Order: sequence, then structure tokens, then C-alpha cells
Amino acid sequence: EDKVVQSPLSLVVHEGDTVTLNCSYEVTNFRSLLWYKQEKKAPTFLFMLTSSGIEKKSGRLSSILDKKELFSILNITATQTGDSAIYLCAFRTQGGSEKLVFGKGTKLTVNP
Amino acid sequence: NAGVTQTPKFQVLKTGQSMTLQCAQDMNHNSMYWYRQDPGMGLRLIYYSASEGTTDKGEVPNGYNVSRLNKREFSLRLESAAPSQTSVYFCASSEDRGRDGYTFGSGTRLTVV
Repeated sequence: EDKVVQSPLSLVVHEGDTVTLNCSYEVTNFRSLLWYKQEKKAPTFLFMLTSSGIEKKSGRLSSILDKKELFSILNITATQTGDSAIYLCAFRTQGGSEKLVFGKGTKLTVNP
Repeated sequence: NAGVTQTPKFQVLKTGQSMTLQCAQDMNHNSMYWYRQDPGMGLRLIYYSASEGTTDKGEVPNGYNVSRLNKREFSLRLESAAPSQTSVYFCASSEDRGRDGYTFGSGTRLTVV
């Protein structure tokens, strides 16, 4: 059965800290891995990763995928209170009808 | 604004009542999805539609039906609501083999009492 496991499930840090969120997966038809940020409403897209070892960056956020070890990490440097959110990892299947399978998320709280 | 529109935003139902959640997208996407989100559970796929006229079950389809009315619209129906269906429901759409992630609607918070 395909699954995505995120850790930690929750994390509390102070502004300015650097955090690393983890996502491991077991899938049979892997196409890509995606990261989303969810605040009060709908998840918003952060990154899509398809190739091992290539880091994607957007400002203070970066992510990398290891297809051999089946995991991905999301780094946030110099955290701000606006980074407080649930961060969701998902993999996208390939072949036939594509769909996203999500992990349970990591709830990040950044305190001033 | 382009995107995915869900209605209603909030709904309270009594056990046994029925209702339909509506979803429409204006991005000309082929694929559409319905997810539910419960505390500590992430998003779980209920049903999806890879193209107009086709639908498939996801991880948690029991108690739900869907209709892909046309390319733009994908509705989710609860025939006889149960308290276990209290959740936040998200509709999403995507390009086939697209470069970006899915686009989500703003969600429907459903409470069944």
C-alpha cells in the first residue's frame, strides 16, 4: 500500500530558527513529490520534485529529494511567525489516472 | 480570478439529510478531485475524475457519490449524512502530467449533527 510518513507531526520554534521537515514514502508508481503549505484554508503549492539531488529553492524555503532512500526534506531558514502553518508532503502517482497521496502533515508553530 | 470555486463554504446537516457540494474550475483542467481533511489525518482522497465522463474511487469513497457534469464541474453528493462525515472538504484540479501542483478550492466545512 502506498504511503507517506511525515515527521515530526508538530514542531514549535522561535523566530530566526532553522527547521527541517521530513517526508518519507513508499510508493509503487512514483512520479513526483510535492510540498504544500496550509494555513487556515486551502493548501498552497510550494515545490514539486522529480529528480534526486536537485535542490529547489524559493526564498528561505528549500527542498530536496532522495529517490534512492525514498525521502524528501523541506528546510526553512530564519523562520518568521508567518511560516506558522501545516506543511503537507504528497506524492503524485503515474500511469493511468494520476492522483496525489498526502501525508498527515507537520504543524509548525513559530513564536516571536 | 481563475481557480477552483467551491460552494457552500459552510454547512450544517442533520443525520440522514442529503446534500451536494459543488465545485467548478476555469483553468481547462482535465482532472478533478475531492478530498476530505480531518484533524491529524492530512488529506484523504474520496473520488477523482481524470476526464469528463469518468470517475474513480479514492481512499475513502464510502458514503459519497460524484458526478463529473462537464469539464468544468465536479460535484460530491452525500445521500444520507452521518456524523463521521463531519470534515472539511476540498476540491482540486490539475493538468494532466502538469508541471505544477494541484490547485485547491477554499474548502467546505461540513458538520453533521
